[in-house]
Amino acid sequence: AQSVTQPDIHITVSEGASLELRCNYSYGATPYLFWYVQSPGQGLQLLLKYFSGDTLVQGIKGFEAEFKRSQSSFNLRKPSVHWSDAAEYFCAVLTNAGKSTFGDGTTLTVKP
Amino acid sequence: SQTIHQWPATLVQPVGSPLSLECTVEGTSNPNLYWYRQAAGRGLQLLFYSVGIGQISSEVPQNLSASRPQDRQFILSSKKLLLSDSGFYLCAWSVPNQPQHFGDGTRLSIL
Repeated sequence: AQSVTQPDIHITVSEGASLELRCNYSYGATPYLFWYVQSPGQGLQLLLKYFSGDTLVQGIKGFEAEFKRSQSSFNLRKPSVHWSDAAEYFCAVLTNAGKSTFGDGTTLTVKP
Repeated sequence: SQTIHQWPATLVQPVGSPLSLECTVEGTSNPNLYWYRQAAGRGLQLLFYSVGIGQISSEVPQNLSASRPQDRQFILSSKKLLLSDSGFYLCAWSVPNQPQHFGDGTRLSIL
């Protein structure tokens, strides 16, 4: 069965510092992978998606993610974090049943 | 472009009262539709999904039900709310092999 693991429940970084959020997936076929961001009391917004091709994908708000098949990972990165990036981040994998399996999320706190 | 509307944004209901949350999608046809619940500080729990009118799959046994009376309308209901039904409810839509797109959510508090 497919699964998504986000090992870090909570991460704190200083404003202007780089960020990497980890995501590991388990899926038998070639995965379709996504990252979402959720601000408090809001729905989830799609940051980026990976289907195939270039393993480094660019998203909105200056985020990027790298697919590494050998490590079953799809880590999210940003070179310089802004205070407005503080939010909950979810990694997800699309299954062949048409549904998505989500990780439990990582809460990002940004220190001034 | 496609949009998703979910209402109400906030709801406070007494235990034992009925519930109806509505979600509509515009700008696409025959979308897959989903209802999720998110407990405080927790991940997403898929409650129901639908691939067409009248086709509802339930992921977990519970006090809730879902209906899809029209192609782009998805309703979450309960006849009698329990305290444990409190949470943040999210509706989402997708087309095959594409990511889901979420509404703004409904905060449901049961007193």
